[in-house]
Amino acid sequence: DSGVTQTPKHLITATGQRVTLRCSPRSGDLSVYWYQQSLDQGLQFLIQYYNGEERAKGNILERFSAQQFPDLHSELNLSSLELGDSALYFCASSGLGVYTDTQYFGPGTRLTVL
Amino acid sequence: AQSVTQPDIHITVSEGASLELRCNYPYGATPYLFWYVQSPGQGLQLLLKYFSGDTLVQGIKGFEAEFKRSQSSFNLRKPSVHWSDAAEYFCAVGAGGGADGLTFGKGTHLIIQP
Repeated sequence: DSGVTQTPKHLITATGQRVTLRCSPRSGDLSVYWYQQSLDQGLQFLIQYYNGEERAKGNILERFSAQQFPDLHSELNLSSLELGDSALYFCASSGLGVYTDTQYFGPGTRLTVL
Repeated sequence: AQSVTQPDIHITVSEGASLELRCNYPYGATPYLFWYVQSPGQGLQLLLKYFSGDTLVQGIKGFEAEFKRSQSSFNLRKPSVHWSDAAEYFCAVGAGGGADGLTFGKGTHLIIQP
């Protein structure tokens, strides 16, 4: 158990819909990262937040957005969903944020878009 | 942009045999290197990491990896595999500096023969 929690575990929805994935980092970790894992693209970095502020962006679509709240939990919002958005979405957290640190991954949320 | 190469999509080894999984990164400066393992239906678990110092790093579950700058490699090794090692293995690299989404290789699927 990494200490990172993600809800829900599974999510099934329809094209065009909007969903929100939630992540709680390990106690004390300030940085949260979101990743997408799909058969086509493999594991891709989406976005990083550090202490409530966006720190880095990866291959995140404009239809996707994220935020980190004062209690440090984070949410990833996916809108106008398409079939190709079906994937496993991971959250990871790390401690220092300022310098490179080890990222610990949550169990993931499996999103299925029908 | 960084990229990470794991040349072997699948590897099959017999239980008790030694294992080496290859990873190459085309990066000039010393990157931050990680190996993660993903069991079916599970999240990513950190096996080991290299930031600096001794180029031979020890990890969990009896794994080790050696950083070789001259070959831009960070290969993962285990002297004797167990059936429970069957999983997907990912090499990842971070650029450092705090804005640090990881770049992952495509993964190597390890199959253990009895």
